[in-house]
Amino acid sequence: DVVLTQTPVSLSVTLGDQASISCRSSQSLEYSDGYTYLEWYLQKPGQSPQLLIYGVSNRFSGVPDRFIGSGSGTDFTLKISRVEPEDLGVYYCFQATHDPLTFGSGTKLEIK
Amino acid sequence: QIQLVQSGPELKKPGESVKISCKASGYTFTDYAMHWVKQAPGKGLKWMGWINTYTGKPTYADDFKGRFVFSLEASASTANLQISNLKNEDTATYFCARSLTYVDYWGQGVMVTVSS
Repeated sequence: DVVLTQTPVSLSVTLGDQASISCRSSQSLEYSDGYTYLEWYLQKPGQSPQLLIYGVSNRFSGVPDRFIGSGSGTDFTLKISRVEPEDLGVYYCFQATHDPLTFGSGTKLEIK
Repeated sequence: QIQLVQSGPELKKPGESVKISCKASGYTFTDYAMHWVKQAPGKGLKWMGWINTYTGKPTYADDFKGRFVFSLEASASTANLQISNLKNEDTATYFCARSLTYVDYWGQGVMVTVSS
């Protein structure tokens, strides 16, 4: 199975500062069709996960441009510029390139 | 608007069965696959598998083969998850979520508690 290693496990950020989360995969996530099925989700306290980024770097409908996804192959990053109070929660990366699909273990973002 | 509305919380004893539902609205049900995801209390997300809503064919992750069954009531735009012979470790919130190229919309989750 593909293992997604997220770092850091937790992150405490001052409002207005930038946060960066890494997701490293045990195998390349580029599919044979050239697409990379790597998504980022945010699970706010007591809520379902919500899609932020799909295909490494595409923001989902309604997601602010403060959220930026990047990377390729096995190394991916989610950057959140100008952190706001509503950004707190647990961030997960998720790969759908290889079966079984797998999630990273999560990064908890707290506001200082 | 697109919605996935799941059934209510369940309290079951070990050895019993449970069936939870996920009713879709706001889109053509058979155009999107439906996934199931488990989240144990205080833990991360675990992908359980998915069902092709057009053909009805389910695919299960290895840890969810045997006691778990994905099914459909396509005429009611509903996907179901049945868990038999419940164990304490099945205590979790179970989410349904739809996908085409990526998983976008999620249900609100169903808390299943298994306790004697």
